Amino acid sequence: GNSVTQMEGPVTLSEEAFLTINCTYTATGYPSLFWYVQYPGEGLQLLLKATKADDKGSNKGFEATYRKETTSFHLEKGSVQVSDSAVYFCALRTGGFKTIFGAGTRLFVKA
Amino acid sequence: GAGVSQSPSNKVTEKGKDVELRCDPISGHTALYWYRQSLGQGLEFLIYFQGNSAPDKSGLPSDRFSAERTGGSVSTLTIQRTQQEDSAVYLCASSLNPASSLETQYFGPGTRLLVL
Repeated sequence: GNSVTQMEGPVTLSEEAFLTINCTYTATGYPSLFWYVQYPGEGLQLLLKATKADDKGSNKGFEATYRKETTSFHLEKGSVQVSDSAVYFCALRTGGFKTIFGAGTRLFVKA
Repeated sequence: GAGVSQSPSNKVTEKGKDVELRCDPISGHTALYWYRQSLGQGLEFLIYFQGNSAPDKSGLPSDRFSAERTGGSVSTLTIQRTQQEDSAVYLCASSLNPASSLETQYFGPGTRLLVL
């Protein structure tokens, strides 16, 4: 079945450090891939998405590239800020309505 | 408001009691989803409503869980005879065009349920 695996947290970084949160997936067909972010006290919100191999999604300085050969969609940011502290969820959708989410990775950024 | 709203934001109940959780989707969104987020777990799909079609209940964990959506808008998730393992954050989301695999789901802030 379809599944998403992402690195366990928490991830703790200093401000301006480089961020990578790994995400790999298993899916039949050709899924669309997503990263959602959940800031403290708020609901999940879409951060970025990609629909086909080699697509790069980007938003707010975050990027993720759809790698079909490695079935990965790793999230990166060159210089994190304290305000990026949140829980990040990788997700996939293969058509229809069901979205499969990973377990989430909590990021703490220290000033 | 423009977003998905949920109420209550927090609910503490005793084991064996029934609870109702409410979701108000974004106006005009035909699709509505309920998820459960347990501590340290990802989002677990519970139920999906699309327009006037029969809901997909395949994610409901037991027959103690039920949901309805009145008038194609507000939805209520009911948990009967609550158990401690029901403690979680219950998230509601809505979307405009669920037929597209690109469709963005808009999430509410969730209801945090604690069963003592």
